[in-house]
Amino acid sequence: GAGVSQSPSNKVTEKGKDVELRCDPISGHTALYWYRQSLGQGLEFLIYFQGNSAPDKSGLPSDRFSAERTGGSVSTLTIQRTQQEDSAVYLCASSPSGSRGQETQYFGPGTRLLVL
Amino acid sequence: DQQVKQNSPSLSVQEGRISILNCDYTNSMFDYFLWYKKYPAEGPTFLISISSIKDKNEDGRFTVFLNKSAKHLSLHIVPSQPGDSAVYFCAANTGGGNKLTFGTGTQLKVEL
Repeated sequence: GAGVSQSPSNKVTEKGKDVELRCDPISGHTALYWYRQSLGQGLEFLIYFQGNSAPDKSGLPSDRFSAERTGGSVSTLTIQRTQQEDSAVYLCASSPSGSRGQETQYFGPGTRLLVL
Repeated sequence: DQQVKQNSPSLSVQEGRISILNCDYTNSMFDYFLWYKKYPAEGPTFLISISSIKDKNEDGRFTVFLNKSAKHLSLHIVPSQPGDSAVYFCAANTGGGNKLTFGTGTQLKVEL
């Protein structure tokens, strides 16, 4: 596609349930990033993929959070046993190579997660 | 520890005037800076960037200035238009690194 796409656009779940969020990066982009934005906050880095490998997972807030990327394309962010503090907008971004620091990241529209 | 700070949560400007959005950073290792614009219910859209080897970058109505000694950058929008009303995020990353560190954003409102 022309841009980064994410699904679902909105997700409401009950506390304790697992959720999966999906990201389709721009075609040909090898680098993929997950961020989240909690209410009134800036964007917070979660994890970075180069191809199918994740050289930087430093932003994942707990072991309830995991992510994978297959075929160097689609990525899934999984949150197990969701808590109310997980409520946020989860944003995915991609960039052409990720091998140089000075590279623009292009964002998808986000998934709005609400944990009741 | 907020390494990128946008101290003005909101800014109101009249159409046709200049909008100046400010950003301060604390990490001297940052060497690439970006501005993103975000409309409600949409993802951030890249606007303009600047490398630390420059002090100014211009793209149409948008100019970013970097003052490394003060660890300060600013985004100038001239002339401001109603369609510029959005939240503006400042972001930075370090050489060789890839994660972006974002500020908390400034809500710009351009009034008629």
